Amino acid sequence: DIQMTQSPSSLSASVGDRVSITCRASQSIGTWLAWYQQKPGKAPNLLIYTASNLESGVSSRFSGSGFGTEFTLTISSLQPDDFATYYCQHYNSFPYTFGQGTKLEIK
Amino acid sequence: QVQLVQSGAEVKQPGASVRVSCKASGYTFSAYNRHIHWVRQAPGQGLEWMGWINPNTGGTKYAQKFQGRVTMTRDTSISTAYMDLSRLISDDTAIYYCAREVSGFDSWGQGTLVTVSS
Repeated sequence: DIQMTQSPSSLSASVGDRVSITCRASQSIGTWLAWYQQKPGKAPNLLIYTASNLESGVSSRFSGSGFGTEFTLTISSLQPDDFATYYCQHYNSFPYTFGQGTKLEIK
Repeated sequence: QVQLVQSGAEVKQPGASVRVSCKASGYTFSAYNRHIHWVRQAPGQGLEWMGWINPNTGGTKYAQKFQGRVTMTRDTSISTAYMDLSRLISDDTAIYYCAREVSGFDSWGQGTLVTVSS
């Protein structure tokens, strides 16, 4: 199985900051990677697919990059609504697996 | 718009089985490459992929952890997918989500809380 490791596990930042979250795969997954945002009590919401494509309706403050085993989600100019938990997920092969999550908190 | 609507919360005793349904609307349920996945989230924990069903063919793939305890089916006449989990234990207490895969999981159900308690 492909393991997905996110870093950091938690992150404190201020409104207006630029932040990045890293996701590493235990083997190459090409660009078969998605990023999700989850708020308490809600289902996850797709932000980025195939590593760098912005899902329709998602703010352009979110961007993704990477290929192979290392990927990054960047949020430019944090807004209050961005404080949430973020997950990466590969869909290269079964079983699809998620990273453990990164909780983004207000400093 | 695409919607996945799940069945309501369940409370089950250890050893029992549970069925969660996921009714799709706003798109052709059995269209090519519109697979339905099931993901669960234990209280305060991360997301765990359970398995997949192809609504067109009925084909399934399950995570090794759930093999022998989970069954995913669908009824195309009512655009509904089902996830059955048997021999429940307390660690199965979680919110269970269905999600549609296009590229990544672009639509999710609202979640169904399954509580396993004696």
